[in-house]
Amino acid sequence: SQTIHQWPATLVQPVGSPLSLECTVEGTSNPNLYWYRQAAGRGLQLLFYSVGIGQISSEVPQNLSASRPQDRQFILSSKKLLLSDSGFYLCAHGNTEAFFGQGTRLTVV
Amino acid sequence: SQQGEEDPQALSIQEGENATMNCSYKTSINNLQWYRQNSGRGLVHLILIRSNEREKHSGRLRVTLDTSKKSSSLLITASRAADTASYFCATDDTNAGKSTFGDGTTLTVKP
Repeated sequence: SQTIHQWPATLVQPVGSPLSLECTVEGTSNPNLYWYRQAAGRGLQLLFYSVGIGQISSEVPQNLSASRPQDRQFILSSKKLLLSDSGFYLCAHGNTEAFFGQGTRLTVV
Repeated sequence: SQQGEEDPQALSIQEGENATMNCSYKTSINNLQWYRQNSGRGLVHLILIRSNEREKHSGRLRVTLDTSKKSSSLLITASRAADTASYFCATDDTNAGKSTFGDGTTLTVKP
């Protein structure tokens, strides 16, 4: 069965600090991988998606970057966090139906 | 920009009643999906309806799709307190090749 792991569940970081959120997938090969951000009470905003190793598409200009060093690993990063980077970040995989991780609540203080 | 828009934004009903949520979208789609999200958790896929389908059922869920009106509805029958969650529609745009989510409907089912 397919499983997606995302960690940490919560994170509090100071402004200007770096960020690294990791997502790994089990039970499937060459998955499409996605990073979303969800503002409070809103829907999901697609940040990045990847169709293969080293292939990253960015949907919106921002202070974040993504990398896919391995087939089943997707990393969301920032060199210097801004207050506006606070939010709920979700990793997902899938082609048609999306399978989501449990999310990371990031608070930048 | 958001493709799907759910209506209403919030819905509060009594246990046992039916809940209907609507989704409108703007472009041609391959399929439309409904997801559920419990507070502070990831999304869980509920049902997918393809552009050539008009209605689909899964347990207490009934989804309709009207491509001429670019709209879909999700009906939850005989609601339970455990159905309390946010519900999102996501459209798979024929040109974009990826899903776009609406802002969701927050459903509260009172016991």
